[in-house]
Amino acid sequence: NAGVTQTPKFRVLKTGQSMTLLCAQDMNHEYMYWYRQDPGMGLRLIHYSVGEGTTAKGEVPDGYNVSRLKKQNFLLGLESAAPSQTSVYFCASSYSSPPRAIGIQYFGAGTRLSVL
Amino acid sequence: AQTVTQSQPEMSVQEAETVTLSCTYDTSESDYYLFWYKQPPSRQMILVIRQEAYKQQNATENRFSVNFQKAAKSFSLKISDSQLGDAAMYFCAYRSAGLQGGSEKLVFGKGTKLTVNP
Repeated sequence: NAGVTQTPKFRVLKTGQSMTLLCAQDMNHEYMYWYRQDPGMGLRLIHYSVGEGTTAKGEVPDGYNVSRLKKQNFLLGLESAAPSQTSVYFCASSYSSPPRAIGIQYFGAGTRLSVL
Repeated sequence: AQTVTQSQPEMSVQEAETVTLSCTYDTSESDYYLFWYKQPPSRQMILVIRQEAYKQQNATENRFSVNFQKAAKSFSLKISDSQLGDAAMYFCAYRSAGLQGGSEKLVFGKGTKLTVNP
């Protein structure tokens, strides 16, 4: 069972460089999310998607773009990396739950990104 | 907007003892879900336990149980018979039960680091 897979696991960028983080899930989930985790801050939502071809902003979307061209994949892009984007990034997915049903989020193992 | 507060940045417990981690939240909604996630050094986020706000009965999963006080907006996690493998960061999280798109996103607290002493 792969679940939610994030690539890469580690990455070091220079300021101004661009990169894309890939999230893939094999559970046929409708919803996918990108969070960032900073020391002492917990996880904060960057962007999310409620279905293929749809995306929406979360709590901290500035400096990031996302795409959901295929249901199983959710890409997070940094067009011009900044040191403030040094963080651990988590992808999660969940099924579209009916009312009164918990849609549990399943998380990937995270990507540690350092921007110098 | 909903907020989740974990007032204990760090806690420690002796192996085989019981420890309680605190979580409070702020919301104007009446229907929602609450979760406790565990994050060991491997970084993997693991769901420990969940609670539906409309259920009065406290959730229990083996050695893990919650004390859900809806009026007080409190959701504490009790770990009984603590084991070395319980050492981790623990995050409390809130999710709206609304029907609009995106309501399933989680709002996390800042976490509590639990140390288990042998």
